[in-house]
Amino acid sequence: GNSVTQMEGPVTLSEEAFLTINCTYTATGYPSLFWYVQYPGEGLQLLLKATKADDKGSNKGFEATYRKETTSFHLEKGSVQVSDSAVYFCALAANFGNEKLTFGTGTRLTIIP
Amino acid sequence: DAGITQSPRHKVTETGTPVTLRCHQTENHRYMYWYRQDPGHGLRLIHYSYGVKDTDKGEVSDGYSVSRSKTEDFLLTLESATSSQTSVYFCAISDPGSYNEQFFGPGTRLTVL
Repeated sequence: GNSVTQMEGPVTLSEEAFLTINCTYTATGYPSLFWYVQYPGEGLQLLLKATKADDKGSNKGFEATYRKETTSFHLEKGSVQVSDSAVYFCALAANFGNEKLTFGTGTRLTIIP
Repeated sequence: DAGITQSPRHKVTETGTPVTLRCHQTENHRYMYWYRQDPGHGLRLIHYSYGVKDTDKGEVSDGYSVSRSKTEDFLLTLESATSSQTSVYFCAISDPGSYNEQFFGPGTRLTVL
């Protein structure tokens, strides 16, 4: 079946540090890949997405590249801010037209000033 | 922000009582979903709907039922609540052809004593 494996948390970084959160997946076919972010007390928001191999999704300084050869979609940001403190979820949709998402377990990120 | 509301936002109930959670959308999206969020599990799909009166089970559907009589409303019912159903419940919506991008509501925190 489909699955998403995320880097275990929690992750604590200092402000302006470089961030990487690892995500790998198992799926048949050609999935679409997503990163969602959940701020304290809120629902999930789509952060970025990539729908085919070698696509790079980007938003708010975050980037992730769809690597089919390594089945990965790692999230990166060059300089984190305190406001980036949140829980980050990697997710996949197995096939276009299949509307269900499979989520990873989430990675809690805390940025200290 | 997508127009999704959930009610109630918080509920405390006792084991064995029935509970109904409501999700309401103003976006006229075709698909609606119920998830539960638990530490160490990420988000898990309970039930989903691909149209009025069309619903199907997700990966953790035991003990839950759903109904969708109008496009804008999706109800989740716990017929007889158990302590294992203590969780945060999220509703989400999406439309066909959107690469499965889902929009989430603010969540309902349910405690079963």
